[in-house]
Amino acid sequence: EAQVTQNPRYLITVTGKKLTVTCSQNMNHEYMSWYRQDPGLGLRQIYYSMNVEVTDKGDVPEGYKVSRKEKRNFPLILESPSPNQTSLYFCASSPDWVHVETQYFGPGTRLLVL
Amino acid sequence: GDSVTQMEGPVTLSEEAFLTINCTYTATGYPSLFWYVQYPGEGLQLLLKATKADDKGSNKGFEATYRKETTSFHLEKGSVQVSDSAVYFCALGDGNSGYALNFGKGTSLLVTP
Repeated sequence: EAQVTQNPRYLITVTGKKLTVTCSQNMNHEYMSWYRQDPGLGLRQIYYSMNVEVTDKGDVPEGYKVSRKEKRNFPLILESPSPNQTSLYFCASSPDWVHVETQYFGPGTRLLVL
Repeated sequence: GDSVTQMEGPVTLSEEAFLTINCTYTATGYPSLFWYVQYPGEGLQLLLKATKADDKGSNKGFEATYRKETTSFHLEKGSVQVSDSAVYFCALGDGNSGYALNFGKGTSLLVTP
């Protein structure tokens, strides 16, 4: 089954404690992306990757890092989380950047930073 | 920059009612327009799309027409069902924004029996 998986699905942490949210896709997609969803703000892109070892900032990259060492995985790293990073996070992938509208979205990771 | 504006919710309708969710856009080029749906506890799914002016996207009884003259892409359905309860996002893409889509803030729809 074609899917994007994220782990963990729910996470409560404290300010400053480094965390990683993993994202994996099994469709051999080149393009992957991270979004955060906040009430009244919709989805905003954090980072994207057009292929292995190629990543770039989206609209709200501050406080986040990503890496793309292999095609299937695109982890999101919060080196020093802060309460304003409390949000619902979605990973997404598409065959390539041209077909970004056909992104498959993961189920989401709900993060609470105390 | 490019952006989309959609009506705020929540929208509450009775089953079999007519649905319209308004979406207008601002863009410098010739964007493609999309509607996504997010069911409770799930990620977003592409519902329909239109890539040029006057195109009509349709899926699952939903329709939206790309109107360049009014810069709009309103979502409509003639008879909603309880299973249509979800959050709907209008989005714009033109490859000029980090190859990302610009999403609206979302409109929550609740359909009651």
